Amino acid sequence: AQTVTQSQPEMSVQEAETVTLSCTYDTSENNYYLFWYKQPPSRQMILVIRQEAYKQQNATENRFSVNFQKAAKSFSLKISDSQLGDTAMYFCAFMKLSNDMRFGAGTRLTVKP
Amino acid sequence: KAGVTQTPRYLIKTRGQQVTLSCSPISGHRSVSWYQQTPGQGLQFLFEYFSETQRNKGNFPGRFSGRQFSNSRSEMNVSTLELGDSALYLCASSSGGQGVSPLHFGNGTRLTVT
Repeated sequence: AQTVTQSQPEMSVQEAETVTLSCTYDTSENNYYLFWYKQPPSRQMILVIRQEAYKQQNATENRFSVNFQKAAKSFSLKISDSQLGDTAMYFCAFMKLSNDMRFGAGTRLTVKP
Repeated sequence: KAGVTQTPRYLIKTRGQQVTLSCSPISGHRSVSWYQQTPGQGLQFLFEYFSETQRNKGNFPGRFSGRQFSNSRSEMNVSTLELGDSALYLCASSSGGQGVSPLHFGNGTRLTVT
């Protein structure tokens, strides 16, 4: 079974600064996909960024980037120039080819003005 | 394009009752997945439907069931409700075709069992 671990239950960052959220996962699969989702108080899960395991290049999406270390099974999210609207729960997720997505416990991020 | 729509947004039921939740996926999406979110257990996968067939199933008791209609809309049913079923139920859709496409989530249905 695949497990996803987010070791930081809560984090905070000053507006405009950079923060990194950690995620590790455990799998015996070689082909899989990793995602970061954001869940603001509105409850809706919003896709932040995705990474295909077969791609060595780290994904980037505007202020969001990942550090994907396949051998270490690590998938951290870096948020640059943090904004107040980034305040949310962030979930790391793992998916094989079966559309069965497994989530970590989440990290509550607070951006302080 | 309209997003994933879940109805109702809030529901209060008593123990022993049953409940049906509804999900309309993004137009053109054929896969619908259901998740249960609780503070204690986090996000847990219930099941996934694709082209009216259950394709994947999580580790939940048989009281939890679902179905998908020919227009890809999906319903989830929970029978003989227990207090522990109180949770946010999230529906997500994706194209579901070859390869992997990201899940697009609805706003969820908050179920409270008293």
